[in-house]
Amino acid sequence: DAMVIQNPRYQVTQFGKPVTLSCSQTLNHNVMYWYQQKSSQAPKLLFHYYDKDFNNEADTPDNFQSRRPNTSFCFLDIRSPGLGDAAMYLCATSRERGQTYEQYFGPGTRLTVT
Amino acid sequence: AQSVTQLDSHVSVSEGTPVLLRCNYSSSYSPSLFWYVQHPNKGLQLLLKYTSAATLVKGINGFEAEFKKSETSFHLTKPSAHMSDAAEYFCVVSDRRNGGSQGNLIFGKGTKLSVKP
Repeated sequence: DAMVIQNPRYQVTQFGKPVTLSCSQTLNHNVMYWYQQKSSQAPKLLFHYYDKDFNNEADTPDNFQSRRPNTSFCFLDIRSPGLGDAAMYLCATSRERGQTYEQYFGPGTRLTVT
Repeated sequence: AQSVTQLDSHVSVSEGTPVLLRCNYSSSYSPSLFWYVQHPNKGLQLLLKYTSAATLVKGINGFEAEFKKSETSFHLTKPSAHMSDAAEYFCVVSDRRNGGSQGNLIFGKGTKLSVKP
């Protein structure tokens, strides 16, 4: 089945220690998104890639970066995680970047910062 | 600017009774609207979407929603709740940034649905 896969599902890192979260997709979609979702809150968009074109949201901290080496994979790098970065991180894809295109979400990676 | 308001943070129903999750939106344009469901510690799953076709939209698992422009509403309903429906539900409008070419999602705050046996 075509899907969005996130690894690992649970990640524990230490305060200030860089961490990378991974997302892959078998849908061959052009757009890949990263969201941060804190407890009992709606997902918050961090950035997205349209093909190789990176689009950062204005309020995304510099601590968060992303890489998309090919169509299938996208990575979220947190350079120096703080306690406030503990959250669920959701990857999503859409076929195209337009108002009518739905997004398909992965299962998420729950990040704990100790 | 576009926005979404989910009128209830928590809805509790008994198994077998109807479900109504309310959503109002604000948009200067013809919106695209979605309902997503999120079970605990899982990703979001698309239930249904409205993109200016039929105003009554049928989704998965027996859910449906009706787009009412006059009321700026997109309420989610299901005739008979099942225990497995217990989850968080998000009403979402698609961003009209850049004339609708961006497609970023604007989420409501979510409604937690509880289903009692």
